[in-house]
Amino acid sequence: EPEVTQTPSHQVTQMGQEVILRCVPISNHLYFYWYRQILGQKVEFLVSFYNNEISEKSEIFDDQFSVERPDGSNFTLKIRSTKLEDSAMYFCASNSEHNYGYTFGSGTRLTVV
Amino acid sequence: KNEVEQSPQNLTAQEGEFITINCSYSVGISALHWLQQHPGGGIVSLFMLSSGKKKHGRLIATINIQEKHSSLHITASHPRDSAVYICAVPDKLIFGTGTRLQVFP
Repeated sequence: EPEVTQTPSHQVTQMGQEVILRCVPISNHLYFYWYRQILGQKVEFLVSFYNNEISEKSEIFDDQFSVERPDGSNFTLKIRSTKLEDSAMYFCASNSEHNYGYTFGSGTRLTVV
Repeated sequence: KNEVEQSPQNLTAQEGEFITINCSYSVGISALHWLQQHPGGGIVSLFMLSSGKKKHGRLIATINIQEKHSSLHITASHPRDSAVYICAVPDKLIFGTGTRLQVFP
């Protein structure tokens, strides 16, 4: 069964450093998403991406965040200058139709120290 | 903004019991998703439903669009069903707080 692949599974970074979280969505999917889950809290929407541009973003997704689909297969989330409160599990997801049939990656656990 | 509430927050059961998890939301929707989050953190989509009932194995999901309510049932529960069950509504997916289920042998 096709999978959404996320790398790395764990990342530890120092406060103020840039991190890039990587995702390989399912190849024929058109819509791509990033979500985050702070430990003990619910999953929150960050951003959706379609047709090579951001289609929607939440208030969490400020200027420190950016997304890119650099080569037609990878979908990346960059955090420019990490803060302690960015520590969370970050999930990538994709689907072929908006709001239908989401497939999630297994997540990247980001720890900012 | 749609508010999504789940109950109960935590649920323990003995193997074989019938489980019900409830989800209510504040704004009318076209469909609702049920997801399962494994202890390791991974999220799996279980159902998307827009009306009536769907069944997959021992899992049954129902939705009442007029009452803005959905339920997830697990028949003959098993320890491997232990996970967090989450409902989510469009668009972009707004997640509920999840129900942590533990099934003991």
